[in-house]
Amino acid sequence: DVKVTQSSRYLVKRTGEKVFLECVQDMDHENMFWYRQDPGLGLRLIYFSYDVKMKEKGDIPEGYSVSREKKERFSLILESASTNQTSMYLCASSWGFLAGYNEQFFGPGTRLTVL
Amino acid sequence: TQLLEQSPQFLSIQEGENLTVYCNSSSVFSSLQWYRQEPGEGPVLLVTVVTGGEVKKLKRLTFQFGDARKDSSLHITAAQPGDTGLYLCAGAKSDKLIFGTGTRLQVFP
Repeated sequence: DVKVTQSSRYLVKRTGEKVFLECVQDMDHENMFWYRQDPGLGLRLIYFSYDVKMKEKGDIPEGYSVSREKKERFSLILESASTNQTSMYLCASSWGFLAGYNEQFFGPGTRLTVL
Repeated sequence: TQLLEQSPQFLSIQEGENLTVYCNSSSVFSSLQWYRQEPGEGPVLLVTVVTGGEVKKLKRLTFQFGDARKDSSLHITAAQPGDTGLYLCAGAKSDKLIFGTGTRLQVFP
């Protein structure tokens, strides 16, 4: 059974803290994605990666960075958390060369609150 | 950023009613996916439509891709409480998906 796991379901951090969100997939997928989900805005793509050590900016990369040192793991980093980064963060993975055509498998999400 | 607008944003209905959710854009997409997300979970793929005008059925759910591949609809017949969730459309643009704004459906018994 395919699985995408995220390190935390809930996280509370203070403004200015460095925050790491971890995502691991066990499907040997090439592509991995980080989204944030806010009411009325759907899912917005932060960063994605189609190979180890590769990364591409999504639609809202400002204030975030990512790391993909191993194929199965994709980390999202908030260098200095701010209150406007309070959100639900979803990680996803997919196989295939053109990621937009293939099913994305999602983790359960991390609800981050920045105080 | 291309936008996919979904309507309605919220829908609250009684069991047994029919409903339609719309997904509209000014952009053309290569394909379109529909996902359902239940509370505390990530979205799960329901269907992918690829050809303009394509219709796909999944039990009581009917999905249609617009002729111009800019819009899509999801029709649910005789809704059940188990259909409750957030429905998201997502258009494919080569290396990524553009997600819609979402429709939250609540079906009461």
